[in-house]
Amino acid sequence: GAVVSQHPSWVICKSGTSVKIECRSLDFQATTMFWYRQFPKQSLMLMATSNEGSKATYEQGVEKDKFLINHASLTLSTLTVTSAHPEDSSFYICSARTNTGIKNIQYFGAGTRLSVL
Amino acid sequence: DAKTTQPTSMDCAEGRAANLPCNHSTISGNEYVYWYRQIHSQGPQYIIHGLKNNETNEMASLIITEDRKSSTLILPHATLRDTAVYYCIVRGLSTGNQFYFGTGTSLTVIP
Repeated sequence: GAVVSQHPSWVICKSGTSVKIECRSLDFQATTMFWYRQFPKQSLMLMATSNEGSKATYEQGVEKDKFLINHASLTLSTLTVTSAHPEDSSFYICSARTNTGIKNIQYFGAGTRLSVL
Repeated sequence: DAKTTQPTSMDCAEGRAANLPCNHSTISGNEYVYWYRQIHSQGPQYIIHGLKNNETNEMASLIITEDRKSSTLILPHATLRDTAVYYCIVRGLSTGNQFYFGTGTSLTVIP
């Protein structure tokens, strides 16, 4: 299947700092990318959907000014957690989908574990 | 998107078939059934998807009932590496439709 690379896999930061997470589709063009968050022992929660070249659509309850998403190219999306606090500590997972080939199969990155001290 | 219901957990003996059920009684005609699994601390992995016909690939088989209100994912010969949380997701083909994950089934393969 298609490969989605996510970086970094693990990050520790101090409270109040910002953290950027990258998501790349390595062997296909991702017209749409998604960002999920997963707390321990819980399921994945969709945070936002982004289409290349346009603003992201955030799910209800997700602060768009805190979780900045940029999808500047067909192979790269970034999530920036601004002014991170301990409650933002979580497992963040990106996903990518292409509108060519096998449509509507979403491929997922390996995830980024964020720990805010 | 249609809501899905899955058992919280299941056990399966190594080497035996694992049958994971999913109810999606409110599925509409243009919605597909997708199965993913998540091994601990990793991103979800695509397994298989289907509309109304049964499907098989190198990983699993998907059996969808004739009324499409339920489906079963079959891992023919479960191994210890199949221990994971399995998610059944129903979604239409519209490019605006996203994957919303339910609670899934935690499958434990026992030696």
